[in-house]
Amino acid sequence: NAGVTQTPKFQVLKTGQSMTLQCAQDMNHEYMSWYRQDPGMGLRLIHYSVGAGITDQGEVPNGYNVSRSTTEDFPLRLLSAAPSQTSVYFCASSSQTGRGTEAFFGQGTRLTVV
Amino acid sequence: AQKVTQAQTEISVVEKEDVTLDCVYETRDTTYYLFWYKQPPSGELVFLIRRNSFDEQNEISGRYSWNFQKSTSSFNFTITASQVVDSAVYFCALSEASSYGGNQGNLIFGKGTKLSVKP
Repeated sequence: NAGVTQTPKFQVLKTGQSMTLQCAQDMNHEYMSWYRQDPGMGLRLIHYSVGAGITDQGEVPNGYNVSRSTTEDFPLRLLSAAPSQTSVYFCASSSQTGRGTEAFFGQGTRLTVV
Repeated sequence: AQKVTQAQTEISVVEKEDVTLDCVYETRDTTYYLFWYKQPPSGELVFLIRRNSFDEQNEISGRYSWNFQKSTSSFNFTITASQVVDSAVYFCALSEASSYGGNQGNLIFGKGTKLSVKP
């Protein structure tokens, strides 16, 4: 009964370092997405995917890459971390069939770039 | 363009008071979905409700109730007899309909309302 699993939960990076935030879901959901949450800004969409092999940009995509090779996994890559990417990152998945469902969110990854 | 506005940044109430969190949305779509999520101090996002644009019936779940009015583009959330455990940030969100008929996965969030319930 895992739902959406994000790793790691916490991470500190130095400016210029790269890393990958992992996201996996076990609900066979077609749709997966990444959001970032900044104080006073709510959650903003970074990238999303409507199925394996299909990704697209959201509201704030710069500095991030994604790929979707399987239905289960949707990793988010920071190629060269910047202090402006300090944030809490949430991965979400949802089903696109039927009358629709809520988005299921992971526990979040708190990233600090120094 | 789609937009969700939660005008109340922070609300503070005393336990057992009723409190209403406002949510106003903008969309050009005729079919859309509205959501409320709760984010307690522990940080996770907890789903509370989803409402389709073609269903304007209000909903009550225990101490929680939701008032959806298409005429004013509002989807307000009321907590009756608030409790300290209700202290959290509450987000209202909007989603378009997907080509499959369900809600598209992209959520447009409001900036959230921080509710503090004091004993």
